[in-house]
Amino acid sequence: DIQMTQSPSSLSASVGDRVTITCRASQDISNSLAWYQQKPGKVPNLLIYAASTLQSGVPSRFSGSGSGTDFTLTISSLQPEDVATYYCQKYDSAPLTFGGGTRVAIK
Amino acid sequence: EVQLVESGGGLVKPGGSLRLSCAASGFTFSNAWMNWVRQASGKGLEWVGRIKSKSGGGTTDYAAPVKGRFTISRDDSKDTLYLQMNSLQTEDTAVYYCITRNFLGYPALDIWGQGTTVTVS
Repeated sequence: DIQMTQSPSSLSASVGDRVTITCRASQDISNSLAWYQQKPGKVPNLLIYAASTLQSGVPSRFSGSGSGTDFTLTISSLQPEDVATYYCQKYDSAPLTFGGGTRVAIK
Repeated sequence: EVQLVESGGGLVKPGGSLRLSCAASGFTFSNAWMNWVRQASGKGLEWVGRIKSKSGGGTTDYAAPVKGRFTISRDDSKDTLYLQMNSLQTEDTAVYYCITRNFLGYPALDIWGQGTTVTVS
């Protein structure tokens, strides 16, 4: 099975900073990757799918890139409401594995 | 309104069984591929399994930790998804979410239920 490795597992940045989270697949998954944001006590919210397509209603400071095995989620200017845990998930074929998550905090 | 509502969670002893249900509304359930995802308290998201639509073959796939113990089924006449969980272990304790999604168009469809809590103790 393909493994999904996210890094870092946590980060702390200042408001306005550019934040980058990476997700690496152990095999080629083309662009079949989604990014989710989960705030404490809430259901995950889809941010990005097809590696780089911004879901409707998601602020444009979020962007995704990559294909094959290496993917990136970027927050161009971190805002207080972005405090959350972020997960990548492959969906090319089963099992639809999630990455381990990246907890983002404000410094 | 597109909605998924899970039910059936509760406290069960190790080795026991439980069946979760997920009632769908607001979309054509029979055409939807449905997933179960779980999340242990303070832990990450874990995909449990999925069932394709009948037109998609109706087949199921499972994560390794639950294969052979969990069974996903659907009743399209009732717009309901099921997760039969047998031989439950303490590590199965989690909130269980049912999900439907379609990433083929824009915007994507990505609907999660509110979750139902399973405690194995």
